[in-house]
Amino acid sequence: DGGITQSPKYLFRKEGQNVTLSCEQNLNHDAMYWYRQDPGQGLRLIYYSQIVNDFQKGDIAEGYSVSREKKESFPLTVTSAQKNPTAFYLCASSGTGTAKDTIYFGEGSWLTVV
Amino acid sequence: KQEVTQIPAALSVPEGENLVLNCSFTDSAIYNLQWFRQDPGKGLTSLLLIQSSQREQTSGRLNASLDKSSGRSTLYIAASQPGDSATYLCAVGSTGGFKTIFGAGTRLFVKA
Repeated sequence: DGGITQSPKYLFRKEGQNVTLSCEQNLNHDAMYWYRQDPGQGLRLIYYSQIVNDFQKGDIAEGYSVSREKKESFPLTVTSAQKNPTAFYLCASSGTGTAKDTIYFGEGSWLTVV
Repeated sequence: KQEVTQIPAALSVPEGENLVLNCSFTDSAIYNLQWFRQDPGKGLTSLLLIQSSQREQTSGRLNASLDKSSGRSTLYIAASQPGDSATYLCAVGSTGGFKTIFGAGTRLFVKA
């Protein structure tokens, strides 16, 4: 089935540690996104990529990094510089990467700092 | 800057009731408006997509309307069921930029 796969579903991070969240899509979409969702709040855009080997900062990019080496993959690294990383992280994709497209989401990853 | 607001933040209704969820946006220059459903701890599922040239879209018991001039959209759910309990988010694709802007959502609880 076509879709977006995020892993792991649950992840625990120690202080000062970097962690990487995986996102893979088989929808043949050009654009991919990472959102952060905090309880009772809307989605906030962290990074997006409209094409392989290119990505742009969203509204809350500080403390995060991404790469886009393959069309299917868009991993997100939460670095130790991110002071409040505990949140629900959602990966998404769309066809051409404009605001005209329907956006499809993965099942999300929970990150908790311990 | 586009802002998207959803009111109420939470809603509880008895099973079988027809209900309306509201979404408002500040900039009428949009490509489309999407309604999503999110179950607890899960990703978002697209319900309906309304293009800027359209007035409404229907899927089963769901009907979404769009009034760009007033900056409003409504999601109508007919004959609500306990399985409809979830958070419903609207999202606006603005012509002024690349980004799609999401509202904070309305949490719906349908009581059996």
